[in-house]
Amino acid sequence: QVQLQQSGPGLVKPSQTLSLTCAISGDSVSSNSAAWNWIRQSPSRGLEWLGRTYYRSKWYNDYAVSVKSRITINPDTSKNQFSLQLNSVTPEDTAVYYCARDLIAVAPGRYYYYGMDVWGQGTTVTVSS
Amino acid sequence: DIQMTQSPSSVSASVGDRVTITCRASQGISSWLAWYQQKPGKAPKLLIYAASSLQSGVPSRFSGSGSGTDFTLTISSLQPEDFATYYCQQANSFRLTFGGGTKVEIK
Repeated sequence: QVQLQQSGPGLVKPSQTLSLTCAISGDSVSSNSAAWNWIRQSPSRGLEWLGRTYYRSKWYNDYAVSVKSRITINPDTSKNQFSLQLNSVTPEDTAVYYCARDLIAVAPGRYYYYGMDVWGQGTTVTVSS
Repeated sequence: DIQMTQSPSSVSASVGDRVTITCRASQGISSWLAWYQQKPGKAPKLLIYAASSLQSGVPSRFSGSGSGTDFTLTISSLQPEDFATYYCQQANSFRLTFGGGTKVEIK
């Protein structure tokens, strides 16, 4: 059974960097069929996908346009986990942050998306001085 | 980015009712749409992927349909545990997006 365990601080000061980690059990961050996502949720923005990392012979990242200049998602193969870094945070970045796995089958001429089937427990992050 | 618009934003229904939720994409997304259920204080739960495929373990009263830009999630006979918020999510582009959600409330 695949599980994701999130960790990281719940309070970040404005202009600083938000850092969260998602530890994977039951699967590998280097899986050729999974992608590892960060999503956040706030009353004002709803569910907002932030980005993902995945391995398909090499590492790839996709990021949301809204945070592209501030975000980094990195895999850590030695610890089988992945991380989120969001720079220069403001109170608008206050949200519940989730990590999630989605399954994607990609081959020449073929694509199939199986959805985000495993989620972390969520971390409430408040940006405040 | 592809915008996903859900309607209605909320619906009041009774146990046993048939409930239909609509999701419209701002451009064609083939069948690359997923539906999630979220209860307060919990992470979203995958119900449907590829527009109409039922995730393992999800009751058969949930069904999805559609392709291109228009999609529906149907709950054939609403159960007490189905009162929750439902979200659609597209995966046709490399940048994923969610709909704004539909809250299913008790009438």
